Amino acid sequence: DSGVTQTPKHLITATGQRVTLRCSPRSGDLSVYWYQQSLDQGLQFLIQYYNGEERAKGNILERFSAQQFPDLHSELNLSSLELGDSALYFCASSVYGTDNSPLHFGNGTRLTVT
Amino acid sequence: ILNVEQSPQSLHVQEGDSTNFTCSFPSSNFYALHWYRWETAKSPEALFVMTLNGDEKKKGRISATLNTKEGYSYLYIKGSQPEDSATYLCAFAMYSGGGADGLTFGKGTHLIIQP
Repeated sequence: DSGVTQTPKHLITATGQRVTLRCSPRSGDLSVYWYQQSLDQGLQFLIQYYNGEERAKGNILERFSAQQFPDLHSELNLSSLELGDSALYFCASSVYGTDNSPLHFGNGTRLTVT
Repeated sequence: ILNVEQSPQSLHVQEGDSTNFTCSFPSSNFYALHWYRWETAKSPEALFVMTLNGDEKKKGRISATLNTKEGYSYLYIKGSQPEDSATYLCAFAMYSGGGADGLTFGKGTHLIIQP
């Protein structure tokens, strides 16, 4: 058990809808990352937060947004959903938020857009 | 777009045999190289983070080496056991002034240990 909690585990929704994915980092970790894994793709970095502030941004679509709250949990909001957004979304956390810190991954949220 | 390649894509190994696979990454602006093990129905688990050219890390029967000048890392598993069956991911971090730019992951090597 990595100590990173993601909810929900599964989500099925229709095109055009909006969903929110939630992540609680491992105790003591200040940084949260969001990754997307689509079919036949490697893990794609979306965005990183450190102690409430955005730290790095990857290939995150404008329809997607995220934030990290004062209690360090994070939410990833996906709107105007398209079929291609179906994927496994991982949250990860690390202590220092630098790229030489190991990541601790949650179990992921499986999003299916129909 | 950074290119991180892992080979082979999949590998079948007899129990007890040793094996190794490769991660190739850009040889410029290196910051860190990560290895993760991802077992089915679980989440990726960190094995190693390497930052210096020539680094060698070991964890039980698993070890890794790093060559930043030529842009590759090897992961070795000695005396493979069924519990080593997993997908092994490498991830490259490019140097940026702030120390955080996100990791670029390879697609992984899927290892199957046959009894």
